Amino acid sequence: GQSLEQPSEVTAVEGAIVQINCTYQTSGFYGLSWYQQHDGGAPTFLSYNALDGLEETGRFSSFLSRSDSYGYLLLQELQMKDSASYFCAVRDRGKAAGNKLTFGGGTRVLVKP
Amino acid sequence: DVKVTQSSRYLVKRTGEKVFLECVQDMDHENMFWYRQDPGLGLRLIYFSYDVKMKEKGDIPEGYSVSREKKERFSLILESASTNQTSMYLCASSLSTGNSPLHFGNGTRLTVT
Repeated sequence: GQSLEQPSEVTAVEGAIVQINCTYQTSGFYGLSWYQQHDGGAPTFLSYNALDGLEETGRFSSFLSRSDSYGYLLLQELQMKDSASYFCAVRDRGKAAGNKLTFGGGTRVLVKP
Repeated sequence: DVKVTQSSRYLVKRTGEKVFLECVQDMDHENMFWYRQDPGLGLRLIYFSYDVKMKEKGDIPEGYSVSREKKERFSLILESASTNQTSMYLCASSLSTGNSPLHFGNGTRLTVT
């Protein structure tokens, strides 16, 4: 089976940098994804890493180390609108062409002025 | 933009009732998923479908069944609702290609009394 660990909550001020770590244990690994969910809203896709290294998309970056079973999401130049929950998820190769995802418990990020 | 629509935002049912949660997507996606979301537990996969009339159990299928008679529609059925099925239910869809992201609906908050 799959299991993922991430911190439950992080608090930071506007303009700061936050790193959300995710460690995983999987029977088979095909990629690490990150999703953002605002209160009352639907989770939305942020990033996907299949290979080791850093992927940058604007203020957000995601990193993966397959040898360490570890990844992180880096939020830079924090803004109030970044207050949300962030979930890491691992892709499992099932019959659904590998799109079956197992999610971590989520990290609630609170941005203060 | 992909749209995943869940028929009800809030639902209150009594213990023992049969409950239907409906989900429709408008982007001709092959894959559809039902997750439940509980605080601290993240999103847990109940069932998924990779084609019409096809279904696969997720991590927590007990007490649930699903139906996919048409490509755009995926229904979650609680045969006899119980209080421990009080939760937020999220439907998602994706293309079948390997790293295609999941697109989520806004969720149905089900309360079983």
